Amino acid sequence: QMQLVQSGPEVKKPGTSVKVSCKASGFTFTSSAMQWVRQARGQRLEWIGWIVVGSGNTNYAQKFQERVTITRDMSTSTAYMELSSLRSEDTAVYYCAADRLDRDAFDIWGQGTMVTVSS
Amino acid sequence: DIQMTQSPSTLSASVGDRVTITCRASQSISSWLAWYQQKPGKAPKLLIYKASSLESGVPSRFSGSGSGTEFTLTISSLQPDDFATYYCQQYNSYEWTFGQGTKVEIK
Repeated sequence: QMQLVQSGPEVKKPGTSVKVSCKASGFTFTSSAMQWVRQARGQRLEWIGWIVVGSGNTNYAQKFQERVTITRDMSTSTAYMELSSLRSEDTAVYYCAADRLDRDAFDIWGQGTMVTVSS
Repeated sequence: DIQMTQSPSTLSASVGDRVTITCRASQSISSWLAWYQQKPGKAPKLLIYKASSLESGVPSRFSGSGSGTEFTLTISSLQPDDFATYYCQQYNSYEWTFGQGTKVEIK
């Protein structure tokens, strides 16, 4: 079945970086776009950015422009989101989600990765 | 950046009620809008795409309408499984933005 499996929880110190992975299966990864979204406890969904897998083109929310990099490895059908200069406010669950380019919406979601930033 | 304003923030309703949630965009987004349902501790689930297209497997009591700047999600007869938080998400100029969410609670 179509699924996205994300890497496990992370605990990071302020000022460091985190890289979360998202492995796709059951659909054509190269014909998709992947977004990254985060959600702090009890808060709204917040869009971070996305990558069109086939072209590698990316776009990021202005808030994260200077600190985030989204990449993909087509040989392993895996997308990555790296966030640098971490601060306590980055503590959240990070989700990846796939748009198979037939809906212009994200119908396949990962299970989420908890990232905790604490000294 | 386009801002999305969802209303209401919280909605109290009973099983069987007709429920409407509104999402307004700060500028026209044509029909580039999706609706998601999220339950506590779970990833969001796609309900509606391109403003009014029902995702496969989603019950027909869910419907979406609108274009331009005003959009609605309607649940025709609220069921126990529908108590959750609902988000709209818009697409414009290679960026996506979520509304702030509407929590549907049991009255």
